[in-house]
Amino acid sequence: GQSLEQPSEVTAVEGAIVQINCTYQTSGFYGLSWYQQHDGGAPTFLSYNALDGLEETGRFSSFLSRSDSYGYLLLQELQMKDSASYFCAVNYYNQGGKLIFGQGTELSVKP
Amino acid sequence: DAGVIQSPRHEVTEMGQEVTLRCKPISGHNSLFWYRQTMMRGLELLIYFNNNVPIDDSGMPEDRFSAKMPNASFSTLKIQPSEPRDSAVYFCASSTSAGDEQFFGPGTRLTVL
Repeated sequence: GQSLEQPSEVTAVEGAIVQINCTYQTSGFYGLSWYQQHDGGAPTFLSYNALDGLEETGRFSSFLSRSDSYGYLLLQELQMKDSASYFCAVNYYNQGGKLIFGQGTELSVKP
Repeated sequence: DAGVIQSPRHEVTEMGQEVTLRCKPISGHNSLFWYRQTMMRGLELLIYFNNNVPIDDSGMPEDRFSAKMPNASFSTLKIQPSEPRDSAVYFCASSTSAGDEQFFGPGTRLTVL
C-alpha cells in the first residue's frame, strides 16, 4: 500500500525558517508534490520534485531523496499569510498524474 | 481563465436523498480528479478520468457513489442514497496529461442530515 507521514502541526514565528518533513512508504511513483491549503479554501500547487535534490521557488524550496524515502518543504522568511495546511503527495505520472496525499501539516505563524 | 468550476458550492440534504455534484475542468486539460476531504480521513482520491475515460475508481467508497464524464468539459459525482457519513468537502481537480500540477476547484461542502 501507500503511506505518507507528516507532522500534524508546526508552529513558527514571522521571519523564521521552517521545514516540514514527509516520509513515505510506497514505490513506483514519479515524484513528490507539495500543496498549500488555507482554511476553507482549495489546495493549491507549490512545487514538484521529479528528481532527487532541491527545487527552489521564491521563499519556498522542496527536497526529495528517494534513497531515504524522504522529502521536505522549506519555507523561508515566514509571513503570517503562510499559516495554512501543507500536504505532500506522491505523483504517479505514469497513471495519468494520480496523486496520493499525506494527512497534512498545519503551520501556524505567530507574530 | 475561469479555473475549475464546481457546483453547487454548498449542499444540505437529508439522508436517503440523491446528491449530484458537478465539475467543469479547465479547457484543454485531459485529466480530471474527484477528491473527498474530511478531518478524519484527510484528502482522498475517489476516482479520476483521462480523456473522459475512468482510469482508477478504487477510491470510490461503495456502490452508492458513481461518477461520469460524458465529455471533456463536464463531470458529475453522484451519491445515491446519501448517508450522514458522506458529509465532507468534495473537490474536483484537473490537469494536463503531462502536467505536474493539479488545479483544484473551490469544492462542494456537502452536509447530509
